[in-house]
Amino acid sequence: GQNIDQPTEMTATEGAIVQINCTYQTSGFNGLFWYQQHAGEAPTFLSYNVLDGLEEKGRFSSFLSRSKGYSYLLLKELQMKDSASYLCAVVDSNYQLIWGAGTKLIIKP
Amino acid sequence: DTEVTQTPKHLVMGMTNKKSLKCEQHMGHRAMYWYKQKAKKPPELMFVYSYEKLSINESVPSRFSPECPNSSLLNLHLHALQPEDSALYLCASSQGSSDINEQFFGPGTRLTVL
Repeated sequence: GQNIDQPTEMTATEGAIVQINCTYQTSGFNGLFWYQQHAGEAPTFLSYNVLDGLEEKGRFSSFLSRSKGYSYLLLKELQMKDSASYLCAVVDSNYQLIWGAGTKLIIKP
Repeated sequence: DTEVTQTPKHLVMGMTNKKSLKCEQHMGHRAMYWYKQKAKKPPELMFVYSYEKLSINESVPSRFSPECPNSSLLNLHLHALQPEDSALYLCASSQGSSDINEQFFGPGTRLTVL
């Protein structure tokens, strides 16, 4: 079967750094997306990884290890507006997105 | 224009009603998607249209009927829904469906079935 695991909820402090992990077991792998979703809104694209290593984009970075079936999203200099759910999604062998349940990130002042 | 629009934003309907959700994109994308999302759950894929043809139907009940009138429009016709169908319905589009493409999401339609 296909399975993507993320922590359900995390809490962090404004200005700090937080790492959200994602592990996956899927039928084939054609890349991994991270999306941000604020409550009641649509998911918005954050990053895409298909090769091992770290991709940095401003305050957000995403890491992938295909051999370990593992990715993480790193958020630096946290701001209150970063409070949202963060969804990990893997592109399977049929080029369809398999979604994790999402991690709700709560930022405290 | 880099956005996907959806109407209506909110919809309340009874179990005997017939209604339609609409989605539009003008990015030249050839793949369009319908997702259903319940609270605190990830999006669940319902349908995929590729080049205006239905390519994936994830065993969705027939009370949901998709339609793709042209490459920019995607409709979801609703009939005889159940209260458990209440959810956020998201439309998305991407350049293609058979390779790696970022999906752009619309704001969703919040559906309540009474």
